[in-house]
Amino acid sequence: AQTVTQSQPEMSVQEAETVTLSCTYDTSESDYYLFWYKQPPSRQMILVIRQEAYKQQNATENRFSVNFQKAAKSFSLKISDSQLGDAAMYFCMTIGTNAGKSTFGDGTTLTVKP
Amino acid sequence: DTGVSQDPRHKITKRGQNVTFRCDPISEHNRLYWYRQTLGQGPEFLTYFQNEAQLEKSRLLSDRFSAERPKGSFSTLEIQRTEQGDSAMYLCASSLGQGANEAFFGQGTRLTVV
Repeated sequence: AQTVTQSQPEMSVQEAETVTLSCTYDTSESDYYLFWYKQPPSRQMILVIRQEAYKQQNATENRFSVNFQKAAKSFSLKISDSQLGDAAMYFCMTIGTNAGKSTFGDGTTLTVKP
Repeated sequence: DTGVSQDPRHKITKRGQNVTFRCDPISEHNRLYWYRQTLGQGPEFLTYFQNEAQLEKSRLLSDRFSAERPKGSFSTLEIQRTEQGDSAMYLCASSLGQGANEAFFGQGTRLTVV
């Protein structure tokens, strides 16, 4: 069984500043991956960043980075130098390495203020 | 290839009617997923295919729901005897290889049951 909890339904950030979105999870899978996906208004979901659970090093993709705490089952997303285009709903997701079923959180709506 | 496409984008139907949605994945992708997303929530896994084989179905997928992926290409999701509770966005995604790879999402089909 898998659960994903995003405790912040809404967040806002000033343009050019940094914001952190929280995610905690639970999974019965021994090998799994964690993802952050972004869903802009009326547009399809796109991948932001991916983390292999067996890797201790936190993943980074340009302005996006994660803080992965495996023991605490925490997987937060940090967005640096926020841009207006970052405004979207962000979903945390987990999936077993060889599984097909994924579990998403309920999302965090990020507003970026100019 | 321009990505995952879903048809129709919007569907309004009367309660009790049957509806069918189509998803065309990225051509070389062997995995195809269906999700349901209601307002303010994250996508809920419904089912997935590896090539033409349906490998897992969620308990959310009642007997009124059926999905197919003939020849491992496009997929259809049919809902029989629709109920108001079926109103949601139905998302399709595809990926290459194992479940831990990036999934590419379509824009979804919004179903309204009146």
